[in-house]
Amino acid sequence: DAGITQSPRYKITETGRQVTLMCHQTWSHSYMFWYRQDLGHGLRLIYYSAAADITDKGEVPDGYVVSRSKTENFPLTLESATRSQTSVYFCASSVAGPDEQFFGPGTRLTVL
Amino acid sequence: GESVGLHLPTLSVQEGDNSIINCAYSNSASDYFIWYKQESGKGPQFIIDIRSNMDKRQGQRVTVLLNKTVKHLSLQIAATQPGDSAVYFCAENTGNQFYFGTGTSLTVIP
Repeated sequence: DAGITQSPRYKITETGRQVTLMCHQTWSHSYMFWYRQDLGHGLRLIYYSAAADITDKGEVPDGYVVSRSKTENFPLTLESATRSQTSVYFCASSVAGPDEQFFGPGTRLTVL
Repeated sequence: GESVGLHLPTLSVQEGDNSIINCAYSNSASDYFIWYKQESGKGPQFIIDIRSNMDKRQGQRVTVLLNKTVKHLSLQIAATQPGDSAVYFCAENTGNQFYFGTGTSLTVIP
């Protein structure tokens, strides 16, 4: 039972580069979420998706793009990375919106 | 205590004692709340949840209390163990979005 996985686990990139973080879940959960975690801010929602081809902005969407062509995948793209996007990124999934979320192990992204 | 905005950064308790972690939430329309535990280097893990039509919910060694009048949530851990050492987050749900507190770091002293 693989659950929810994220790749890469660690990434170092430079300002201005495009970066894509991958998220894959094996439960066929309808909902998927992307959060960033920074000291002093806790977890903040970037984007979420209620189903394939349906995505919505969260609290901090600027600078990020998502897509959901398949139920099991929810990639997050930073089109032009900035230093302020240095963070730990968590993907999560749930059966329904207001429901228990299952989190992946996280991706630590550093933008130089 | 912790809030979606402010937080009590650390809490130290003796092994075997009970722990209480507090959380103040901001949106009176929030109707669902979750407590998560996060160990170092890992993603958050569900502990217990409560819906707004309830005041109290119990799990194994954990109890969540909800006071909607003052918008306060608490997590009680009975007989705290070293494995309980982690950061604990409360999260409030409005619509399909969760808003997380900044976390409380619990350290259990053997």
